[in-house]
Amino acid sequence: NAGVTQTPKFQVLKTGQSMTLQCAQDMNHEYMSWYRQDPGMGLRLIHYSVGAGITDQGEVPNGYNVSRSTTEDFPLRLLSAAPSQTSVYFCASSSGTSGTGELFFGEGSRLTVL
Amino acid sequence: TQLLEQSPQFLSIQEGENLTVYCNSSSVFSSLQWYRQEPGEGPVLLVTVVTGGEVKKLKRLTFQFGDARKDSSLHITAAQPGDTGLYLCAGGYYGGATNKLIFGTGTLLAVQP
Repeated sequence: NAGVTQTPKFQVLKTGQSMTLQCAQDMNHEYMSWYRQDPGMGLRLIHYSVGAGITDQGEVPNGYNVSRSTTEDFPLRLLSAAPSQTSVYFCASSSGTSGTGELFFGEGSRLTVL
Repeated sequence: TQLLEQSPQFLSIQEGENLTVYCNSSSVFSSLQWYRQEPGEGPVLLVTVVTGGEVKKLKRLTFQFGDARKDSSLHITAAQPGDTGLYLCAGGYYGGATNKLIFGTGTLLAVQP
């Protein structure tokens, strides 16, 4: 059972570089989201989507873009990486579109920006 | 602004001890979830509470939602090494166009054998 799959698991970037974190789910969930996790700050919502073609900003969207062309995929793009974006990123999905149902998380992508 | 504060931030106890983790806010939440996260993995849902004053038990874990739906607690009885992990509360929050889950700051629990 794949669930939510994130790639890559680890990535090192230089300041100013761009990259895309991939997220795919095979549970036919409408709701997908990206969180970043930093020590002592829990999980903070970056962007979310309630279905294909629909995205919206969360608590900390600056410096990140998302798109949702299919139900399965929800990539997160870093436009010009900064050291402040060093973090562990989690993709999560949920059935329904309320955004407050049970979240199913991927294993995370650890990003270091030098 | 962090809507949900958890305490303590760190907790190291011996096997067999009891403990309580708190999740507090000045905001009202429609529901409150608790997740546990192990190293190198994503969080996994333990429980959801939706009614003020609600108490749910999951084996040795007892979860309570405050009467005013602004706070919650997690009590573990006779902790075991397998309980070690990061515990996160998450509140269902009506903000903007859609509802969101807002996560707390986390409590890192280490249970020593």
